Amino acid sequence: DVQLVESGGGLVQPGGSLRLTCAASGFSLSSYAMNWVRQAPGKGLEWVSGISGTVGATYYAASVKGRFAISRDSSKNTLYLQMDSLRAEDTAIYYCAKSDAIVLVDKRNNWFDFWGQGTLVTVSS
Amino acid sequence: DIVMTQSPDSLAVSLGEGATINCKSSQSVLYSSNNKNYLAWYQQKPGQPPKLLFYWASTRESGVPDRFSGSGSGTDFALTISSLQAEDVALYFCQQYYSTPLTFGGGTKVEIK
Repeated sequence: DVQLVESGGGLVQPGGSLRLTCAASGFSLSSYAMNWVRQAPGKGLEWVSGISGTVGATYYAASVKGRFAISRDSSKNTLYLQMDSLRAEDTAIYYCAKSDAIVLVDKRNNWFDFWGQGTLVTVSS
Repeated sequence: DIVMTQSPDSLAVSLGEGATINCKSSQSVLYSSNNKNYLAWYQQKPGQPPKLLFYWASTRESGVPDRFSGSGSGTDFALTISSLQAEDVALYFCQQYYSTPLTFGGGTKVEIK
């Protein structure tokens, strides 16, 4: 069975850093596009970042570009999100989500078929 | 970026009655080369992550009850619950995957009247 388990969330001051981890099981991370999607308290969903399977090309929402970095360790079957220069508006539950597609490009089957339970990131002084 | 707009924001329906949620995209998500609509629907119950209901606008994910249906094409889509059950109380989101960045609608909250 596919499972995604996030960890690494917590309370951090504005300007601080945090690294989120998503441990995957039941499939190979590098065979699919993987994503981070966040949800601010009581709000909707926002796609934050993604990484294509195989080649590993990375993509970011404009709101986090230059501050966040997505990566993966295929040997550990684990996805990461390094978050730097955090702001209050980054406060959210961060979900790891698997795409049905291999690559994260236009006109592919990039719906999210499996989600983790999420990890809460709170940016506050 | 493709903007997804859902309506209404919330909906209160009696048990056993029908409910329809609308989703409109700022540009067409229909790809003429394969005649597919790059639109998915999700259900999110309180305290849980979203769950995939439909992809290609109307293809039901395995295990989704057939009281749920997805429809529409181009820029206008709908998620319909034919007979609301108590376990359908949730937030519902649409998402386009026609182009990056992938974007979601703002969500529609379905409650029992």
